[in-house]
Amino acid sequence: AQTVTQSQPEMSVQEAETVTLSCTYDTSESDYYLFWYKQPPSRQMILVIRQEAYKQQNATENRFSVNFQKAAKSFSLKISDSQLGDAAMYFCAYLPGGGADGLTFGKGTHLIIQP
Amino acid sequence: DAGITQSPRHKVTETGTPVTLRCHQTENHRYMYWYRQDPGHGLRLIHYSYGVKDTDKGEVSDGYSVSRSKTEDFLLTLESATSSQTSVYFCAISLTGDNSPLHFGNGTRLTVT
Repeated sequence: AQTVTQSQPEMSVQEAETVTLSCTYDTSESDYYLFWYKQPPSRQMILVIRQEAYKQQNATENRFSVNFQKAAKSFSLKISDSQLGDAAMYFCAYLPGGGADGLTFGKGTHLIIQP
Repeated sequence: DAGITQSPRHKVTETGTPVTLRCHQTENHRYMYWYRQDPGHGLRLIHYSYGVKDTDKGEVSDGYSVSRSKTEDFLLTLESATSSQTSVYFCAISLTGDNSPLHFGNGTRLTVT
């Protein structure tokens, strides 16, 4: 079974600074997808970014980017120019290629933004 | 908005009573999922469905059953609720089921007293 590990239960960053959230995963598959979701206090689950394992180029969405290290099975999220609205729980998630049996999530990292 | 509605939004029930949570989608997607979220555990898959009357178990399926008699509705039932089932329950859909990210409903907070 696949596992996803987020080793940082909580992180804190000053507004406008950069923060990196860590995620590692364990799989024997070669074809898979990785995601970061954001959950603000409203409880809504919001997709932040997606990475296909077959792509060497790291995904980027505005201030959010990932560092995907396939050999190390690492998938970290970098948030640049942190804003107060970035405060939330962040979940890393794994999906096997062709898999319809849902995402496997890490336990989450609570991100605090200091004004 | 992925057109997912969960009902109820909040529910308090007593130990031993049956509870049914409903997930309704408006976009005719094939794949639907039920997750529970607990502090320190992230989201864990309970059951999922890949079509009408086609369902399968997830990681934490004990004590739960599901039914899908129509494409748009996916029901989660706790036959006899226990305090350990106090949680936030999320329904999710996938456009294609393969490599597509999930879109989530707003969750149901269930408290079993």
